[in-house]
Amino acid sequence: AQRVTQPEKLLSVFKGAPVELKCNYSYSGSPELFWYVQYSRQRLQLLLRHISRESIKGFTADLNKGETSFHLKKPFAQEEDSAMYYCALKRGSRLTFGEGTQLTVNP
Amino acid sequence: DVKVTQSSRYLVKRTGEKVFLECVQDMDHENMFWYRQDPGLGLRLIYFSYDVKMKEKGDIPEGYSVSREKKERFSLILESASTNQTSMYLCASSGLRERSINQPQHFGDGTRLSIL
Repeated sequence: AQRVTQPEKLLSVFKGAPVELKCNYSYSGSPELFWYVQYSRQRLQLLLRHISRESIKGFTADLNKGETSFHLKKPFAQEEDSAMYYCALKRGSRLTFGEGTQLTVNP
Repeated sequence: DVKVTQSSRYLVKRTGEKVFLECVQDMDHENMFWYRQDPGLGLRLIYFSYDVKMKEKGDIPEGYSVSREKKERFSLILESASTNQTSMYLCASSGLRERSINQPQHFGDGTRLSIL
């Protein structure tokens, strides 16, 4: 069965510090992975997808099949990055989400 | 831009009541989904529908049912509400025509349901 794990429920960093949100998955097929973000009082929205290898708002995520990980990274965190982040694994039309990590960036 | 609209932002109901949560999307999407979002548990899929009148159970369907009579509308029904169904409920949709790996699902604002 597919599973997504985000080991940190809460993560707190200072502005300008690097940040890494961890995501591990288990899936027997070829994974399609995404990061979603939910800012305070806003709807859940797609942040980035592994297939496009892009950087969005300074965030990147690399799929590591050997370690079955898809960690989200940003070299210099900003206060506006404070939000709930979810890692998600796609199978067919369905998404399996991790538990979420609440990121707080302190001034 | 895709619009997924949930009929209520906040809802308060009593134990034993039959509760309807409504969701409408305006992009002619084939797939629609209902999740509940709980702290520490993430999003869990309750039900989804891949076509009108078609439905499939998600990971936590117990205590819920769904209805999809029209393509744009997907309803979640709590047959007899209980306090453990107090939660944030999110609706989402996705299409087949767009490349699904680019934008897997679009979400609504959510309905915060409290069962007293």
